[in-house]
Amino acid sequence: DQQVKQNSPSLSVQEGRISILNCDYTNSMFDYFLWYKKYPAEGPTFLISISSIKDKNEDGRFTVFLNKSAKHLSLHIVPSQPGDSAVYFCAACHMEYGNKLVFGAGTILRVKS
Amino acid sequence: ETGVTQSPTHLIKTRGQQVTLRCSSQSGHNTVSWYQQALGQGPQFIFQYYREEENGRGNFPPRFSGLQFPNYSSELNVNALELDDSALYLCASNWRGASKDTQYFGPGTRLTVL
Repeated sequence: DQQVKQNSPSLSVQEGRISILNCDYTNSMFDYFLWYKKYPAEGPTFLISISSIKDKNEDGRFTVFLNKSAKHLSLHIVPSQPGDSAVYFCAACHMEYGNKLVFGAGTILRVKS
Repeated sequence: ETGVTQSPTHLIKTRGQQVTLRCSSQSGHNTVSWYQQALGQGPQFIFQYYREEENGRGNFPPRFSGLQFPNYSSELNVNALELDDSALYLCASNWRGASKDTQYFGPGTRLTVL
């Protein structure tokens, strides 16, 4: 039972353009959502998070949008840079039960220069 | 640099053997979680330790066990290894109670079971 789904295995974007990575979840108990970036041979690195009481959170080039009614969140990267090329994981948890993260399968982002 | 380290980097074992993976958490972090990442998948939660006691477990059998020590280190033990246990094992630590409660991941241990 996949509670967090990233339906696009890969995404290719031109440098300077916007990258949009999508994530869907099924468990309505999830109230905290995170995006992690992972380079080969490294552990996931935290990027940005959003609580279910918000619908948008912004940090520099990264913005996360949450649509609770659709159980959907997205990560926007503007402008995209070649160094953003990595695997991006969406994760979710129910904070009352501790931050035991449920991850999606990841999306490989390639930013072409 | 997350301040979380793991050892060894790579490990090869045969089916039926036992393995111990180690993690050193960021100083001051009272919570450590372990995840298994199979090829082409996202990390899956194995279990979490808070102040040296197990505090939640994912869908993994009892042959997966762990320990957390007062010096911010922890272990993941896997008995009776199976071929499907081949994966990247990730350790993550955080300070429970912080406003963000963000987990910081180590680089992982790549386990191959032959």
